[in-house]
Amino acid sequence: KNQVEQSPQSLIILEGKNCTLQCNYTVSPFSNLRWYKQDTGRGPVSLTIMTFSENTKSNGRYTATLDADTKQSSLHITASQLSDSASYICVVSASNDYKLSFGAGTTVTVRA
Amino acid sequence: NAGVTQTPKFQVLKTGQSMTLQCAQDMNHNSMYWYRQDPGMGLRLIYYSASEGTTDKGEVPNGYNVSRLNKREFSLRLESAAPSQTSVYFCASRLFGQGTTYEQYFGPGTRLTVT
Repeated sequence: KNQVEQSPQSLIILEGKNCTLQCNYTVSPFSNLRWYKQDTGRGPVSLTIMTFSENTKSNGRYTATLDADTKQSSLHITASQLSDSASYICVVSASNDYKLSFGAGTTVTVRA
Repeated sequence: NAGVTQTPKFQVLKTGQSMTLQCAQDMNHNSMYWYRQDPGMGLRLIYYSASEGTTDKGEVPNGYNVSRLNKREFSLRLESAAPSQTSVYFCASRLFGQGTTYEQYFGPGTRLTVT
């Protein structure tokens, strides 16, 4: 069973609207959680990285939250733009582990 | 500073053929990784190299071999390609250790089709 579960699998929103993506994980012991944006045909690019002690982090219109107690994270996109159309991937790292656990991603489509 | 580069970008192989995917990074990172990405699935780790001179199996290593040629370069070899290896392959690198930002950088990917 995947240790990182994302929801929804996909969503469509109108330009200018907000949306929130969810990530639940079981990775332990927890080290950090990242959100990546992957445009079609490109490699993932990091949006935010949060460690255990951080519960929110922003990168422009992207705001990630982390609840390490419930092992949940969310990524909120504010005032969406057409360029936000992409796959958003939640990635969790265990302490002292070279390997990362990847969610399957949420595909966001922003329509004009 | 090119980051992580991969060659080729696209490749079509016949079943049974072999090929090597090349990856290089110029960020002086110690750890490098090879992933494959299939539709509806998260990236899956094929092999990784924690540091120069070491390689380890990831989640899906069967049918692949790797070489950490030096600190910059990490190649992935398919000895006898199979249609199940049709996928997009990503190389990544990271500076692993105390006080790092944990950031992992990905290359642009190689789209491989095996017929």
